[in-house]
Amino acid sequence: DTAVSQTPKYLVTQMGNDKSIKCEQNLGHDTMYWYKQDSKKFLKIMFSYNNKELIINETVPNRFSPKSPDKAHLNLHINSLELGDSAVYFCASSQQGGYTFGSGTRLTVV
Amino acid sequence: QKEVEQNSGPLSVPEGAIASLNCTYSDRGSQSFFWYRQYSGKSPELIMSIYSNGDKEDGRFTAQLNKASQYVSLLIRDSQPSDSATYLCAVNSMVRGNRDDKIIFGKGTRLHILP
Repeated sequence: DTAVSQTPKYLVTQMGNDKSIKCEQNLGHDTMYWYKQDSKKFLKIMFSYNNKELIINETVPNRFSPKSPDKAHLNLHINSLELGDSAVYFCASSQQGGYTFGSGTRLTVV
Repeated sequence: QKEVEQNSGPLSVPEGAIASLNCTYSDRGSQSFFWYRQYSGKSPELIMSIYSNGDKEDGRFTAQLNKASQYVSLLIRDSQPSDSATYLCAVNSMVRGNRDDKIIFGKGTRLHILP
C-alpha cells in the first residue's frame, strides 16, 4: 500500500486554466504538507495542515488554495495557472520526526 | 529568514571511499535535523534523523550534529554507485511550539560515486 499518494503524476495545461492535485495518506499522521520543487531542485514549503487546521501558509499567491476535508486528505487547487507555476509539487505527511513524501506531481504550464 | 545551506556540488567520490556531506543552519532554536536522499525524478526519502549533539550511526550512514556550531553532516562509508543522488539537509523550524510544524530544506548536494 502506498503511504502517501498523489494524483495526477503528470499535469500539462494551458495558462489561465484551473487545476487540482489530490493527496491522500494512510499512515494516520496528523500533519500534511504541500511543497514545491522548482527547476533548480529547491524544495520549499507552501502549506501545512494539522488535523484539518491550516498551520502554515507561506508567501504563496492567493491563486493557490489548499483544502483538507479530513486529516487523511490534503488537496491543492490552483486558479489562473501561470508559466511560473511549472514545477514538481510534493505532498508529505508527518507525525513526529521526518516527513513521508508522495511521488510528486509534475505540473507543466504551456 | 531561516536558512539551511549546503554546497550544491557535484561531489565526486570514488567507489568504496567515504563521502562527506555538510550543512549549516541559521535557526538556533532548531531541534530536529534530517538527511533526505533524492534520486533524479523521484521523491525525497528520509535516510537519517538526529536530535542531539554527537554522532548517530545507521549502517553505512553516520549523521553528526554540532548545535553550538549550527552544523550537521552526513558520512557515507564504503560508497556505492547506488548512493549517487542529491542529498537534502533539512532542519525543523518551530511554529506554535510544535517541533514538527515546518521543515526547511537546503538546496541539496549532488553526490556522484565514481565506479
